[in-house]
Amino acid sequence: DTAVSQTPKYLVTQMGNDKSIKCEQNLGHDTMYWYKQDSKKFLKIMFSYNNKELIINETVPNRFSPKSPDKAHLNLHINSLELGDSAVYFCASSGGGTKETQYFGPGTRLLVL
Amino acid sequence: GNSVTQMEGPVTLSEEAFLTINCTYTATGYPSLFWYVQYPGEGLQLLLKATKADDKGSNKGFEATYRKETTSFHLEKGSVQVSDSAVYFCALSDRGSQGNLIFGKGTKLSVKP
Repeated sequence: DTAVSQTPKYLVTQMGNDKSIKCEQNLGHDTMYWYKQDSKKFLKIMFSYNNKELIINETVPNRFSPKSPDKAHLNLHINSLELGDSAVYFCASSGGGTKETQYFGPGTRLLVL
Repeated sequence: GNSVTQMEGPVTLSEEAFLTINCTYTATGYPSLFWYVQYPGEGLQLLLKATKADDKGSNKGFEATYRKETTSFHLEKGSVQVSDSAVYFCALSDRGSQGNLIFGKGTKLSVKP
């Protein structure tokens, strides 16, 4: 029943590792997003993607890459993790009749040691 | 570029007090405006929205009016409850960028019994 789901909910890993966070939406939306929330609760867009276009926030390091196997999924892959990558990552989606309203997943809390 | 400025918190109120959280924005064109709420340990939920000038969004006793002349979208509630304790985010939809949300820094509200 969950509209936007993310796995895992918590992720603890060592510096230098590569990790992925998965996101799935069952709302039939055509646009998906990744946001990063830092320790001060500030939220910033990382990527937005629909089946035609990927828009990347220019401040996002190229160690971060979104991968979309199909319209319902947008996974986030992170190479060579750094301490500063520790944050909460939120996936969201939008589309249909309420195109501008985004629906958020529960977040993935990433801690890099 | 587009931006959102929120009053800094934390805000601490007693139950049944009146709440105002100020939000002003800078944008080209006419963005849609949103308030999202994040309860402790959870993801973001849409609280209310307004898509054009003079629209009033309302939900769960919260209200906000889209004021083009003052570029503001202040959140109000007449009588807060302990269960309203959360972080509140004002946001605008950047229509030129697949509707990416630009968030304010969030305002933490604590309501004491």
